[in-house]
Amino acid sequence: DQQVKQNSPSLSVQEGRISILNCDYTNSMFDYFLWYKKYPAEGPTFLISISSIKDKNEDGRFTVFLNKSAKHLSLHIVPSQPGDSAVYFCAAISSGSARQLTFGSGTQLTVLP
Amino acid sequence: GAVVSQHPSWVICKSGTSVKIECRSLDFQATTMFWYRQFPKQSLMLMATSNEGSKATYEQGVEKDKFLINHASLTLSTLTVTSAHPEDSSFYICSTFSGTGTEQYFGPGTRLTVT
Repeated sequence: DQQVKQNSPSLSVQEGRISILNCDYTNSMFDYFLWYKKYPAEGPTFLISISSIKDKNEDGRFTVFLNKSAKHLSLHIVPSQPGDSAVYFCAAISSGSARQLTFGSGTQLTVLP
Repeated sequence: GAVVSQHPSWVICKSGTSVKIECRSLDFQATTMFWYRQFPKQSLMLMATSNEGSKATYEQGVEKDKFLINHASLTLSTLTVTSAHPEDSSFYICSTFSGTGTEQYFGPGTRLTVT
């Protein structure tokens, strides 16, 4: 059973507009969430994270929102740029898990020029 | 710059042979390293947690005798795929944490193709 779900395998957005990537989780023990960006044949690179004690974290064009009651988080990218085109993974860590990440299945974002 | 390196980046081997993949932390000592596997268009699946100086912890369904992990130093962990089969063809990625940070840093990955 997938504990971290990204239900949209792909998303296309026009350059300059907002990209919203969604992620849902089922494990109530998750207390830290991260977003990674991945290009083909490369390892993931860390983008932004959020602790479960917060509901928002912002870093430049990237903002992550966490809704604990809904077990839902989202990544907003604004304005979107063609270089943002990649696969985005959300991941979660639960306390006491030796910091092991549980990944979602990823969303392919394509930003159209 | 990169904080985690992997070698090789790409390897092709014949079925039945063994392949060793190295993962190095470049800027810090890593007592724990993680090994992931990613099949095309799928998520990264944790295979095992490699602990320096002790035995690795394998996830359910991962054969420890097939995927040998050695973490002999604080900067190097190796994954050896023994008696490789075509179904082992995948993208293998290692990662570790920097100091007390929570964010994992990933290596660039190794593409294994077993013919």
